[in-house]
Amino acid sequence: RKEVEQDPGPFNVPEGATVAFNCTYSNSASQSFFWYRQDCRKEPKLLMSVYSSGNEDGRFTAQLNRASQYISLLIRDSKLSDSATYLCVPAHGSGNTGKLIFGQGTTLQVKP
Amino acid sequence: EAQVTQNPRYLITVTGKKLTVTCSQNMNHEYMSWYRQDPGLGLRQIYYSMNVEVTDKGDVPEGYKVSRKEKRNFPLILESPSPNQTSLYFCASSRYNEQFFGPGTRLTVL
Repeated sequence: RKEVEQDPGPFNVPEGATVAFNCTYSNSASQSFFWYRQDCRKEPKLLMSVYSSGNEDGRFTAQLNRASQYISLLIRDSKLSDSATYLCVPAHGSGNTGKLIFGQGTTLQVKP
Repeated sequence: EAQVTQNPRYLITVTGKKLTVTCSQNMNHEYMSWYRQDPGLGLRQIYYSMNVEVTDKGDVPEGYKVSRKEKRNFPLILESPSPNQTSLYFCASSRYNEQFFGPGTRLTVL
């Protein structure tokens, strides 16, 4: 079993749609959680951290369910510029000693 | 501008010809790492370094070497490249788990 499981997609949605991605992780020792965004052939960039209480950043909402070991990302009012691959990233340890485990990513295509 | 740079960005080489991919960061980060990204396998960590002269193996270290003689530089060395090392390579530096990635090096080994 992979340590991080994501539906690779692609998710094809129209502009303005709301879309949600889920991710499950197997290591219950994971302490920190992140979503990274990767545009085609480019480097991944941090989109947002995921807190236990859930957190929101504009149109993006991240949720963590430790009991079920899954993380979600909700994107509201999708824009063409949201088209990218979204990587779910749990981390073992904390601070600078943390090891990030990258999921394979979920691809989103937002259509006009 | 805070950044991680890698060179070269693209490289085509032949089996067995030693090569080095350089990585440099200007953010004074202690933690640096190398990843490779392959279709269907995602990003996998090759080596990481928690500080100068401190390096350790990641998940897929075979066939690679690294060194960390200065805080800002973390080169990746392939002593004898093989075709299965054809991949997209990313260097990253981090502080408190946020990783800043370089632009990537696309390596093809023939």
